[in-house]
Amino acid sequence: QKEVEQNSGPLSVPEGAIASLNCTYSDRVSQSFFWYRQYSGKSPELIMSIYSNGDKEDGRFTAQLNKASQYVSLLIRDSQPSDSATYLCAAPNQGAQKLVFGQGTRLTINP
Amino acid sequence: GAVVSQHPSWVICKSGTSVKIECRSLDFQATTMFWYRQFPKQSLMLMATSNEGSKATYEQGVEKDKFLINHASLTLSTLTVTSAHPEDSSFYICSALLLLNEQFFGPGTRLTVL
Repeated sequence: QKEVEQNSGPLSVPEGAIASLNCTYSDRVSQSFFWYRQYSGKSPELIMSIYSNGDKEDGRFTAQLNKASQYVSLLIRDSQPSDSATYLCAAPNQGAQKLVFGQGTRLTINP
Repeated sequence: GAVVSQHPSWVICKSGTSVKIECRSLDFQATTMFWYRQFPKQSLMLMATSNEGSKATYEQGVEKDKFLINHASLTLSTLTVTSAHPEDSSFYICSALLLLNEQFFGPGTRLTVL
């Protein structure tokens, strides 16, 4: 099993709808989780960090963490075409500083 | 948010030459920086972890003599691709570590070796 797994998509969502991105991880020691957005040809941009169980909201973005199920998700409300990108889930590698990234989910928002 | 810069943003060089890429944390000090490489339509691949004042830690399969990393100050890490060849053409991205394991990425350097 990969350490961090994502559905690679592509995921297509109509504009204005909620986009739901999912990620599972295998390392029970992990305490922090990150969502990055990467536009084509650009570097990743950190959009959400989450450290405790439950929901964390930032604008149109909500990260959800369930450590018992080893599951972390990202919800994007009122999706916009500018949200079209690849979304990367990441977690520290066995408590170390370096991150393990999922393979990314390609999201397309259709106008 | 934390800002990380890279220079140059793109470079074209001849096969056999060396290329140096700089990564700077502009508004914070970074004891630890990371270097990644990304080929088109592929995932990020971690190349090495760079720690200020000490030797870099390379990932398995990454040649340390080919990819020289220097982290001489708390705001600057450099990656030198020595004797570059066409297969080294890629998108090189650095990141700097802030608190709580958050990594902030530079804009990347696109290297093309002719």
